[in-house]
Amino acid sequence: DVKVTQSSRYLVKRTGEKVFLECVQDMDHENMFWYRQDPGLGLRLIYFSYDVKMKEKGDIPEGYSVSREKKERFSLILESASTNQTSMYLCASSISHPGQGNLGGNSPLHFGNGTRLTVT
Amino acid sequence: AQSVTQLDSHVSVSEGTPVLLRCNYSSSYSPSLFWYVQHPNKGLQLLLKYTSAATLVKGINGFEAEFKKSETSFHLTKPSAHMSDAAEYFCVVSEVRFGAGTTVTVRA
Repeated sequence: DVKVTQSSRYLVKRTGEKVFLECVQDMDHENMFWYRQDPGLGLRLIYFSYDVKMKEKGDIPEGYSVSREKKERFSLILESASTNQTSMYLCASSISHPGQGNLGGNSPLHFGNGTRLTVT
Repeated sequence: AQSVTQLDSHVSVSEGTPVLLRCNYSSSYSPSLFWYVQHPNKGLQLLLKYTSAATLVKGINGFEAEFKKSETSFHLTKPSAHMSDAAEYFCVVSEVRFGAGTTVTVRA
């Protein structure tokens, strides 16, 4: 089974702190994703990466950055945490199929258990 | 651009009765479509996916979904609800675009 591991289950940070959320997958997947989940809004894509050192903005990238130095690890960085970034953060990975562009389009996502971040 | 709309934020059913969760999508090309389930305090789990093969897709736990291109819909159904089906369900278009979710409660 694919395992996607997020380093922290719960995190409490202060406004203005720099925050790192780490995600590691063990199945050699090309694609990795960061989402935030808020009640009534579903999952919103922050950033994704389809290869090492590659990154693409999702739908809500403002206030976030990412790093992918190794294939198995995808980090989400909050440069200066704010209270409106209090949320559940979910990491996911998927396999990329040849000839289907940067995102396979029909590959299911494998999710970590999430990090509940509270910014006070 | 792709987008997805889940037409009901909450659905309440009695145990043993059918479940219908409605999903409409928008896509400029033939999309791949997914349904995921999230039980309370658990991770997201894939229920089923449509990738342009059969229009009726069978998933886990007795769920199935029908792709209707003319209606741009991908509704999820189950003939008989079980208490363990109480969860939040997400419709997804083209792998990454999630709907807002539908919370299912099951009454005994």
